[in-house]
Amino acid sequence: DGGITQSPKYLFRKEGQNVTLSCEQNLNHDAMYWYRQDPGQGLRLIYYSQIVNDFQKGDIAEGYSVSREKKESFPLTVTSAQKNPTAFYLCASTHRTGGYTFGSGTRLTVV
Amino acid sequence: SQQGEEDPQALSIQEGENATMNCSYKTSINNLQWYRQNSGRGLVHLILIRSNEREKHSGRLRVTLDTSKKSSSLLITASRAADTASYFCATDATGANSKLTFGKGITLSVRP
Repeated sequence: DGGITQSPKYLFRKEGQNVTLSCEQNLNHDAMYWYRQDPGQGLRLIYYSQIVNDFQKGDIAEGYSVSREKKESFPLTVTSAQKNPTAFYLCASTHRTGGYTFGSGTRLTVV
Repeated sequence: SQQGEEDPQALSIQEGENATMNCSYKTSINNLQWYRQNSGRGLVHLILIRSNEREKHSGRLRVTLDTSKKSSSLLITASRAADTASYFCATDATGANSKLTFGKGITLSVRP
């Protein structure tokens, strides 16, 4: 079955540590997105990529980095510069103007 | 900034009743989409309505779009306890190149 896989489901980060969230899709979608969800805030766009080897900043890119070396993969790194990283992170993909397919999310907690 | 704003923020109804949720937005759009999210899970795409469409149906879902008022509504008929979830509208603004902007969501509770 085609879909998006996010891993890990839960992630704990210590102060000053970088962590990487994985997102893999086998839908042959060109565009991929990372959103952050906080309680009562809805979803906010972090980064997006519409083609391999290209990506753009979203509304809240500071403290995050991404890469898009393969069409199937769009990992997100939460760097130590992100001062409030505790949140639910959602990856999505789409083929041009269709609806998004979302992964099941990664819940990141700072300890 | 949030493009879509849903209304109400929370809705509680009895099983079998209809649920109506509204979304308003600010700029011109290519399409508007509705998603459902169960607690702690990813979002699931429900329905997409293009700017030149006024109404669309999918099973028990009915979506309307009024571009003159910049608003949309999602109607779930004959609700079930399994419909309990958060519902989000998302807009693909003109010129946004398929980049969706989501509202804060509506929490729907369907009492058995």
